[in-house]
Amino acid sequence: ETGVTQTPRHLVMGMTNKKSLKCEQHLGHNAMYWYKQSAKKPLELMFVYSLEERVENNSVPSRFSPECPNSSHLFLHLHTLQPEDSALYLCASSQDRGRVFEQYFGPGTRLTVT
Amino acid sequence: AQSVTQLDSHVSVSEGTPVLLRCNYSSSYSPSLFWYVQHPNKGLQLLLKYTSAATLVKGINGFEAEFKKSETSFHLTKPSAHMSDAAEYFCVVSDGPGGYQKVTFGTGTKLQVIP
Repeated sequence: ETGVTQTPRHLVMGMTNKKSLKCEQHLGHNAMYWYKQSAKKPLELMFVYSLEERVENNSVPSRFSPECPNSSHLFLHLHTLQPEDSALYLCASSQDRGRVFEQYFGPGTRLTVT
Repeated sequence: AQSVTQLDSHVSVSEGTPVLLRCNYSSSYSPSLFWYVQHPNKGLQLLLKYTSAATLVKGINGFEAEFKKSETSFHLTKPSAHMSDAAEYFCVVSDGPGGYQKVTFGTGTKLQVIP
């Protein structure tokens, strides 16, 4: 596979469930990102990892927990979500965090919280 | 302060006619600017980028954008729209001191192409 892949592509979960989103990049990049895309709102940057270290956390509720075990993989662990968390969750990667900010995006996971 | 404003949430053009998607930005540094496209149920794809070199930037699929510092604009254009151009387009600004880059996405412009 090439580029940035995300699994699952669609997820429906109840508010008491625990689930995880997975992202994998095959580009040799050093930085990875989680974004939330909701209808009629700008894309929201949630978390940034650079060389497997979390470098940015934009006031995201603790019910979202990221994990970056290595530079190729990024997870978003979900628990006790709310209906307003329903959105498209996009993963992205870039060569590095500090310079020109060109990102490569995965196709996203469409999350529905019931 | 950093911000980006996409002036139109929806643009509708006829196939074969020019496309203009407007973007204005503000930045306290020398910014990099990007346009991304998102087709339905897909992730974002980079169309083109400006990084302080030539002010007229050419991208994929015949799109181009011109960085105008005096107008703080980075509008996206294409001479002739194709049906496959129907998608949502995002203008993005990135700037920051030293090695730290902050990024802001615009709210997006949905382009409709009428046959």
